Amino acid sequence: NAGVMQNPRHLVRRRGQEARLRCSPMKGHSHVYWYRQLPEEGLKFMVYLQKENIIDESGMPKERFSAEFPKEGPSILRIQQVVRGDSAAYFCASSPLTVNTEAFFGQGTRLTVV
Amino acid sequence: TQLLEQSPQFLSIQEGENLTVYCNSSSVFSSLQWYRQEPGEGPVLLVTVVTGGEVKKLKRLTFQFGDARKDSSLHITAAQPGDTGLYLCAGAHAGGTSYGKLTFGQGTILTVHP
Repeated sequence: NAGVMQNPRHLVRRRGQEARLRCSPMKGHSHVYWYRQLPEEGLKFMVYLQKENIIDESGMPKERFSAEFPKEGPSILRIQQVVRGDSAAYFCASSPLTVNTEAFFGQGTRLTVV
Repeated sequence: TQLLEQSPQFLSIQEGENLTVYCNSSSVFSSLQWYRQEPGEGPVLLVTVVTGGEVKKLKRLTFQFGDARKDSSLHITAAQPGDTGLYLCAGAHAGGTSYGKLTFGQGTILTVHP
């Protein structure tokens, strides 16, 4: 778990501002997944990325949300013009390129929109 | 859409009691993972079951994957207060653009009283 690094751990934004959440996967992992968790609920898939490619974004809201995983640097989940309903914990997971692979999660970023 | 029904949602028991958490789906998963999550932290992987009918033991925890790979259970023997937490099951998708994507159950909040 400690291998996947997310920052910041806590982020407070006013309505209308932008939120940028960063995720550095474990060394050697080429797959990154972003999930969102509302209080006392399970995690909901948002997007699956490999280096420089978005593979599956079926869980991403169509507007205001975007994600990238550049060749160099961390994966970024970007939320534009945040609203109170965006308040949640956002988790990043990474896995290596193997069959039936296991995903390892970061500690999450808790976004609060005020 | 593949769904994973997890039950019970809440479980409050006394130290020393046994308990079972269930995850059921109408869909087949390539593997099923169980996580435990502490407040303010990310999910920590407990076990991955891959083969239908597979049983894995982790000290007092026993995990079982159904023969058809649609359901799973977590059994805890002689629960202790340290077992308190949120338990999550997650089914892994195989192949194509959904590779490695996890569908989570709603979670079971377990409280073990001394």
